[in-house]
Amino acid sequence: GNSVTQMEGPVTLSEEAFLTINCTYTATGYPSLFWYVQYPGEGLQLLLKATKADDKGSNKGFEATYRKETTSFHLEKGSVQVSDSAVYFCALSQNTGNQFYFGTGTSLTVIP
Amino acid sequence: DAGITQSPRHKVTETGTPVTLRCHQTENHRYMYWYRQDPGHGLRLIHYSYGVKDTDKGEVSDGYSVSRSKTEDFLLTLESATSSQTSVYFCAIRPGQGAHTGELFFGEGSRLTVL
Repeated sequence: GNSVTQMEGPVTLSEEAFLTINCTYTATGYPSLFWYVQYPGEGLQLLLKATKADDKGSNKGFEATYRKETTSFHLEKGSVQVSDSAVYFCALSQNTGNQFYFGTGTSLTVIP
Repeated sequence: DAGITQSPRHKVTETGTPVTLRCHQTENHRYMYWYRQDPGHGLRLIHYSYGVKDTDKGEVSDGYSVSRSKTEDFLLTLESATSSQTSVYFCAIRPGQGAHTGELFFGEGSRLTVL
């Protein structure tokens, strides 16, 4: 089946620290992979995506590389800001299906 | 702005009462979804729709029904609400006509409390 596992939170970092949030997946074939972000009181919004192996998605200083050999899509940012405080969700979707599969979310708090 | 409106945004109800949540979109996208968000579970799919009158179950569909009588509206109904259905409910749409992978766009959520 299809599933996503991401690291447990909450994560607390100081401003300008390096961020990694781990995400691994189980899927058949070649799914597309996503990172969504949810700011307090809001719905989820797409942060970045990758549709094939070795693709790197990037946005707002965040990056993630689709690693088929390790079935991973880890989210990284070199220098976090207070405004990055949010919940981050890893997700996958099969190219031939209608459903998306989400991880449980990782809460990030960045302190000044 | 993906043009998604959920209503109501907040609702408190009592066990055993029926509840309907509405998702309205302005851009005539074919695919619409209902998710619930709970601590420790992330987002779980309740039902989705791939066209007018075309719906299918997700992983947590028990106790929920949906209807889509027109493209722009996707209704989620709890026939007899239970406390386990206290949650935040998100509607999402996926642009695109075929069975290919586009991204989801989410509404702002409806917080339901069942006492």
